[in-house]
Amino acid sequence: GAGVSQSPSNKVTEKGKDVELRCDPISGHTALYWYRQSLGQGLEFLIYFQGNSAPDKSGLPSDRFSAERTGGSVSTLTIQRTQQEDSAVYLCASSLAAGGGYTFGSGTRLTVV
Amino acid sequence: AQSVTQPDIHITVSEGASLELRCNYSYGATPYLFWYVQSPGQGLQLLLKYFSGDTLVQGIKGFEAEFKRSQSSFNLRKPSVHWSDAAEYFCAVGEGTGANNLFFGTGTRLTVIP
Repeated sequence: GAGVSQSPSNKVTEKGKDVELRCDPISGHTALYWYRQSLGQGLEFLIYFQGNSAPDKSGLPSDRFSAERTGGSVSTLTIQRTQQEDSAVYLCASSLAAGGGYTFGSGTRLTVV
Repeated sequence: AQSVTQPDIHITVSEGASLELRCNYSYGATPYLFWYVQSPGQGLQLLLKYFSGDTLVQGIKGFEAEFKRSQSSFNLRKPSVHWSDAAEYFCAVGEGTGANNLFFGTGTRLTVIP
């Protein structure tokens, strides 16, 4: 597509429930990144996919967080047993090559109540 | 380890005035440097980037930034601010080829007054 598409744009969930956030990167972009932006904070790196290589999961805050990327394209970020501190905007970005400028999606605003 | 510092949390300028947003980075080698802008409710948009070569880089919307290795800085400038420039601005540093991710500063919120 023309840009990075994320869905849903907003998600309200109850504490303890699982959520899935979706990211459709720009076609042909080999690198895909997930970041989290909490209120008043900068961007916190979560996970990075590059082609068929094993993902860099070093930024995932706990084992409740996981992500996959199917067919080198669409990615899903899953948060299990959500907690209130998971409330944030989750941003996805893609780039043609690692280290290049990213194109960001508009994000998913997650609210855990 | 890489890190980025944006010392100004919030800046207010008058429309038409000049602007400089500060960014300092910590990185052992030659960094790849970026400035992004985020309007309310929007994702981040790339303003400009520095990889190598001329240390003064031009970006979109009339912005420019200068890489100063001696000061480990990459400050963003605009000679005349427009009301539509009101947004959050993020500086980021990356490793370049083979980089896993970018490290972002905490952002500077720009308010433009008439």
